[in-house]
Amino acid sequence: DAGVIQSPRHEVTEMGQEVTLRCKPISGHDYLFWYRQTMMRGLELLIYFNNNVPIDDSGMPEDRFSAKMPNASFSTLKIQPSEPRDSAVYFCASSSTDSSSYNEQFFGPGTRLTVL
Amino acid sequence: DQQVKQNSPSLSVQEGRISILNCDYTNSMFDYFLWYKKYPAEGPTFLISISSIKDKNEDGRFTVFLNKSAKHLSLHIVPSQPGDSAVYFCAAENQAGTALIFGKGTTLSVSS
Repeated sequence: DAGVIQSPRHEVTEMGQEVTLRCKPISGHDYLFWYRQTMMRGLELLIYFNNNVPIDDSGMPEDRFSAKMPNASFSTLKIQPSEPRDSAVYFCASSSTDSSSYNEQFFGPGTRLTVL
Repeated sequence: DQQVKQNSPSLSVQEGRISILNCDYTNSMFDYFLWYKKYPAEGPTFLISISSIKDKNEDGRFTVFLNKSAKHLSLHIVPSQPGDSAVYFCAAENQAGTALIFGKGTTLSVSS
């Protein structure tokens, strides 16, 4: 298995532009998580899905952030409009309720976003 | 308000010595804890976990200790190796059992 795939790996954009981050979870996993990592706040959970349905989006910082999971193999995190304070590394992770390792989440390599 | 706290941003240890990484939590209802390890430019990877019904779990050089009364857990690495240099995140499973709450991480540097 290729693991969790995220694209792009790096994104540099200007303030006000729309940014879309993409994630392909591990096949067969029924949970998908979006995290943001910053020096100040560490690893924050933004939103998570179960069977493509958003379960908890209380970590989404503002209405400028939105996430979708149109099918079991794809999710997007969109920021519109982007601001410099959104600069961070964004991770996608997936997990399976059938996993022998209870609640182990598998992370993608992350997308480093820089908003100028 | 941080529910999982790693109060030491960094730790430096010599090769062969013991590394002890600490983690505190505030919610006594948390009952499952995990440690993740993260190398630069990579995502975190699962390292070891512990259920609240235990006070110790060991896997090779890695041992996690849980003190429920103190709401404290620690990760011991012995002997430490230069390849252990990474950021270590402590995480607690939320009460619904569906998501993890992470600490800010501790950067471990092991010198040879």
